[in-house]
Amino acid sequence: DGGITQSPKYLFRKEGQNVTLSCEQNLNHDAMYWYRQDPGQGLRLIYYSQIVNDFQKGDIAEGYSVSREKKESFPLTVTSAQKNPTAFYLCASSITGAVNEQFFGPGTRLTVL
Amino acid sequence: AQSVTQLDSQVPVFEEAPVELRCNYSSSVSVYLFWYVQYPNQGLQLLLKYLSGSTLVKGINGFEAEFNKSQTSFHLRKPSVHISDTAEYFCAVSEAVRSYQLTFGKGTKLSVIP
Repeated sequence: DGGITQSPKYLFRKEGQNVTLSCEQNLNHDAMYWYRQDPGQGLRLIYYSQIVNDFQKGDIAEGYSVSREKKESFPLTVTSAQKNPTAFYLCASSITGAVNEQFFGPGTRLTVL
Repeated sequence: AQSVTQLDSQVPVFEEAPVELRCNYSSSVSVYLFWYVQYPNQGLQLLLKYLSGSTLVKGINGFEAEFNKSQTSFHLRKPSVHISDTAEYFCAVSEAVRSYQLTFGKGTKLSVIP
């Protein structure tokens, strides 16, 4: 089955620690995205990548970093510089150059204690 | 830049009653419009999309939406809701020319009351 996987589903970390969230897709999509979701705020774009080895900042990139070494993978690191990291994180992918219909993974809920 | 406003943060409705979830957008160029649904602690699933052509768009689970260019709206409707429709619904817009980025509304929580 084609789709997007995110792991783990739930993640707990101590304040001050960096943490990396995994996102893998087997849809052969060129573009991948990371969103943060907080209650009542909808989805806000953190980073996106339209091609391997290239990515751009979204609206709320501060305190986050990404890499895109393989087409299938787009990991997100939440650094200790992110002041309020507790949130639900969603990864998505789409075909570049076409209508931007994005397909979403199941999400990772990060709680920083 | 485009923006999306979902006018209601919460909508309670009785089972088998009709429902309309409202969405207005702002953009200086042509747009594509989307509705997504999110069940608790899950990712988003596409309900329907408007790209061009007929302004009435039909989607999954009996939902439909109508694109109104003059009112810059894309309201989502269902004639008879079911308990299983309880979820959060997001309207999203992308520019037709530079369509690599989606802008989402803040969501509407639909609660179906038995």
